[in-house]
Amino acid sequence: GAGVSQSPSNKVTEKGKDVELRCDPISGHTALYWYRQRLGQGLEFLIYFQGNSAPDKSGLPSDRFSAERTGESVSTLTIQRTQQEDSAVYLCASSESKDRGNTIYFGEGSWLTVV
Amino acid sequence: AQSVTQLDSHVSVSEGTPVLLRCNYSSSYSPSLFWYVQHPNKGLQLLLKYTSAATLVKGINGFEAEFKKSETSFHLTKPSAHMSDAAEYFCVVSSFNAGKSTFGDGTTLTVKP
Repeated sequence: GAGVSQSPSNKVTEKGKDVELRCDPISGHTALYWYRQRLGQGLEFLIYFQGNSAPDKSGLPSDRFSAERTGESVSTLTIQRTQQEDSAVYLCASSESKDRGNTIYFGEGSWLTVV
Repeated sequence: AQSVTQLDSHVSVSEGTPVLLRCNYSSSYSPSLFWYVQHPNKGLQLLLKYTSAATLVKGINGFEAEFKKSETSFHLTKPSAHMSDAAEYFCVVSSFNAGKSTFGDGTTLTVKP
């Protein structure tokens, strides 16, 4: 596709349920990032993939959060046993490589509301 | 609707000289504005943010930005560049009434010795 695609664009879920958020990066982009942004807050880095491996998972807030990437393409962010504090927009971004100077392209985000 | 434009895709300065990274925005609502920096192999790091308090915002590593509503600008400045400032910088406008945050395309800052 022309840009980074995320789905669903909006998700309302009940507390305690699991959710999966999907990211389709730009074709050929080897680097993929997940971020979270709560209402009125800045971006929180969650995890970074280079190819299918994740050299930096430092931002995952708890063991309820996990992410995987397959085929050096699609990535899925999974949140288990959702809590109201998980309500936020989850942003995916990709770039051609991890090297300096490569533009990072962001998706529109998946808005998650936990009720 | 909202948008953000980073006016320079690349900026090159000499070490010890001032830095100016320009950002203009448009928003139908009172926005929050952010500057982020991304070094190689790192996620985005928040430099500073404006959320309707003081219009001159001071951030980490000596950076600051001034919110100018009349000019719809939020330019990032630093009096004296350091080699470690070389990175990609992103300006972000966030108006949650609009339903999303919008990111600039980024400015690559190069610092020459």
